[in-house]
Amino acid sequence: GDSVTQMEGPVTLSEEAFLTINCTYTATGYPSLFWYVQYPGEGLQLLLKATKADDKGSNKGFEATYRKETTSFHLEKGSVQVSDSAVYFCALSASPGAGSYQLTFGKGTKLSVIP
Amino acid sequence: GAGVSQTPSNKVTEKGKYVELRCDPISGHTALYWYRQSLGQGPEFLIYFQGTGAADDSGLPNDRFFAVRPEGSVSTLKIQRTERGDSAVYLCASSLFGTAISSTDTQYFGPGTRLTVL
Repeated sequence: GDSVTQMEGPVTLSEEAFLTINCTYTATGYPSLFWYVQYPGEGLQLLLKATKADDKGSNKGFEATYRKETTSFHLEKGSVQVSDSAVYFCALSASPGAGSYQLTFGKGTKLSVIP
Repeated sequence: GAGVSQTPSNKVTEKGKYVELRCDPISGHTALYWYRQSLGQGPEFLIYFQGTGAADDSGLPNDRFFAVRPEGSVSTLKIQRTERGDSAVYLCASSLFGTAISSTDTQYFGPGTRLTVL
């Protein structure tokens, strides 16, 4: 079945450092890929998405590129802020035509940014 | 409010009891999903509704779990004979169409119900 593997946390960075959180997936066909974020005390929010190979999703300075050849969707940000401290989840949903598009999530990576 | 709402926010029950968890999706959203998130894990899919019908219930762990969405909006997740292993945060999400390929069809999550079975 479909699965998502993402970098184990926790990750602690200083403010303005470069962030990479690795995510790889296993799925048939051409799934859609997502990064969700959960800020302390809040619900899951979509951060960015990409629906086909070589698409780049971006939002709030975060970027991720859908790499079909390496089955990866790594999250990056050039300069993190304290307000980016949260748990980040990589997720996928099935290829078009599957009929059911529930999300399959990774285990999450907790990011702490210190001033 | 315009978001997905879930009630109660917290539920503590005793082993063997019956519980109901409610989800109120965003108005007009045809698709509704239930997920379960155990401590330190990502959410795991339970069931997906398209309108009033359960289009995919392959994630329900056993027949103690059941969900309904009788009028195509509010959904209730029902757990019979609760066990300590059912303790988790139960998340509900809704989306406009229930597909992932449209740039506008995002799953929006509620704040969750934290279930504790003693």
